[in-house]
Amino acid sequence: QAVLTQPSSLSASPGAAVSLTCTLHSGISVGSYRIYWYQQKPGSPPQYLLRDKSDSDNHQGSGVPSRFSGSKDASANAGILLISGLQSEDEADYYCMIWHSSAYVVFGGGTKLTVL
Amino acid sequence: QLQLQESGPGLVKPSETLSLTCTVSGDSISRSSYYWGWIRQPPGKGLEWIGIVYYTGTTYYNPSLKSRVTISVDTSKNKFSLKVNSVTAADTAVYFCASWQGFLFDYWGQGTLVTVSS
Repeated sequence: QAVLTQPSSLSASPGAAVSLTCTLHSGISVGSYRIYWYQQKPGSPPQYLLRDKSDSDNHQGSGVPSRFSGSKDASANAGILLISGLQSEDEADYYCMIWHSSAYVVFGGGTKLTVL
Repeated sequence: QLQLQESGPGLVKPSETLSLTCTVSGDSISRSSYYWGWIRQPPGKGLEWIGIVYYTGTTYYNPSLKSRVTISVDTSKNKFSLKVNSVTAADTAVYFCASWQGFLFDYWGQGTLVTVSS
């Protein structure tokens, strides 16, 4: 089982809201980690979007629209990237990431989001 | 604003050493709040973290690559480097360098494709 698991693909219509999940390995708890999200468009490097929202802050990347938000679902042991008011420009690959407690970075396998 | 640029050979033979350099501009590589990292992406696949280095030389590596990888920093040239030993076709990928601050990669290079082939 991978450390971080993401659905390989997802599709939604313009204007809709979509949730992208990042499920943590059963041996680690989402409550113990900050989940970071990146967006990558073809031919470009990934771009930092945000990290999951905590009570004290909402760490949004520079220039990232507020319709992108992050949260956690403890019952599912998962991080969630919510995109509301979906636009055609949101079509991209999305990756979650953590800094593992054993001192290394882990990326999820990525979700390809298609805006129909 | 930070800018990063990867450079190095685009073709490496199997069993040889892959060497890449990342040139940092817009700030000093010795800036205390930053680490400097390498990430790779095989064609059509996802991101794989390789490792990060601090200006003092402190490093953290992907456990699965640690035995073959060295990341180093040259503060006099404002550059940092990646070496991967004993490469195979599985090391064919786009290699990105990036800055690491606050547990996230905030600035990225455009990436450079390295192909392992005889």
